Amino acid sequence: QVQLVESGGGVVQPGRSLRLSCAASGFTFSSYGMHWVRQAPGKGLEWVAVIWYDGSNKYYADSVKGRFTISRDNSKNTLYLQMNSLRAEDTAVYYCAGGITMITYWGQGTMVTVSS
Amino acid sequence: NFMLTQPHSVSESPGKTVTISCTRSSGSIASNYVQWYQQRPGSSPTTVIYEDNQRPSGVPDRFSGSIDSSSNSASLTISGLKTEDEADYYCQSYDSSTLVFGGGTKLTVL
Repeated sequence: QVQLVESGGGVVQPGRSLRLSCAASGFTFSSYGMHWVRQAPGKGLEWVAVIWYDGSNKYYADSVKGRFTISRDNSKNTLYLQMNSLRAEDTAVYYCAGGITMITYWGQGTMVTVSS
Repeated sequence: NFMLTQPHSVSESPGKTVTISCTRSSGSIASNYVQWYQQRPGSSPTTVIYEDNQRPSGVPDRFSGSIDSSSNSASLTISGLKTEDEADYYCQSYDSSTLVFGGGTKLTVL
């Protein structure tokens, strides 16, 4: 069955960096666009970034543009999110998600807490 | 970019029917498909409606979706409410390579 397993979350100080990973299995990862979607505690879903199936195009929410970088390694069926210059408002559960115009597959999420 | 606006919360009794709206702020609601996701506490979202009115396999036919160009909105209707339907519901559409989510609606079944 389809699995998206995020890792790399944790507690980090403001201004520091963190890299999230998402291991995919059970579907043809290299054929799917992939997103990161986050959810702050008690809040709604917020789209963060998307990468095309072949990595040729990447787009970001204004709130993370210039600080976050999405990437993928199709040979490893893995999606990444490099997060730099982290702020308190980046505190959220980060979901890896498969699809382009809609989400077909969701991961279980990994928690990122930005706090001193 | 446009916004999608949902009511913050709705409540209804078991066995009744409830409709959750999702209004697009600019541009036509029919321009891009609308999806609906259900999220129970502590869980990841799951799709209950995709492409305006399509149900994934395994989603009961009590769930239905529609769009209304006159009000520029999409709607999720759940009939025969069950306590297990209590959850947060999010609408989602697409614009210029980005996903747009509504703010979410908390459905209480009491």
